[in-house]
Amino acid sequence: EVQLVESGGGLVKPGGSLRLSCAASGFTFSSYSMNWVRQAPGKGLEWVSSISSSSSYIYYADSVKGRFTISRDNAKNSLYLQMNSLRAEDTAVYYCAREGRLGTLHGLDYWGQGTLVTVSS
Amino acid sequence: DIQLTQSPSFLSASVGDRVTITCRASQGISSYLAWYQQKPGKAPKLLIYAASTLQSGVPSRFSGSGSGTEFTLTISSLQPEDFATYYCQQLNSYPPLTFGGGTKVEIK
Repeated sequence: EVQLVESGGGLVKPGGSLRLSCAASGFTFSSYSMNWVRQAPGKGLEWVSSISSSSSYIYYADSVKGRFTISRDNAKNSLYLQMNSLRAEDTAVYYCAREGRLGTLHGLDYWGQGTLVTVSS
Repeated sequence: DIQLTQSPSFLSASVGDRVTITCRASQGISSYLAWYQQKPGKAPKLLIYAASTLQSGVPSRFSGSGSGTEFTLTISSLQPEDFATYYCQQLNSYPPLTFGGGTKVEIK
């Protein structure tokens, strides 16, 4: 069974940093591109970042570029999101999500339960 | 950036109704469109990918159609468990992998 479990969320002050982790199991992690998607309270979904299976291709939303860094450790079946210079508008539930076996054509076929990041003084 | 416009943003329907949600892209995205269902407090769930392919395990009352710039998600006979918010997402070009604004389906 495919499982994605996020951790690392919490309360942080504006300007602070946080590192999110996503532990993957039940599939060959090293074969799939992975994504981070966030959802501010009461709002819609916002794609944050993508990383290809071998980390060769990395993409960011303009809203986080230069502040967030996505990475992965295929040996540990883990995905990460390093978030620096956090702002109030980064407050959201952060989901990790797997791209399906057909790549982007397949959409994001498995999602974690999400971890809440709150940026407030 | 490619923008996705979903309509309506809210709809009220009864059990058994046929429901159609539209997603329009600001430029052509071929068939690189996915539909998700999200219930309160839960992660989104993939329903449809490649515009019209049903994800494994999703009931056949859900269907998707379209290509290019106009897409639809249809629920042929609305069931109680289908009351949720639905999002489209384009995956043709990134960044960003844009989501539509969402359509909340509520019980009439």
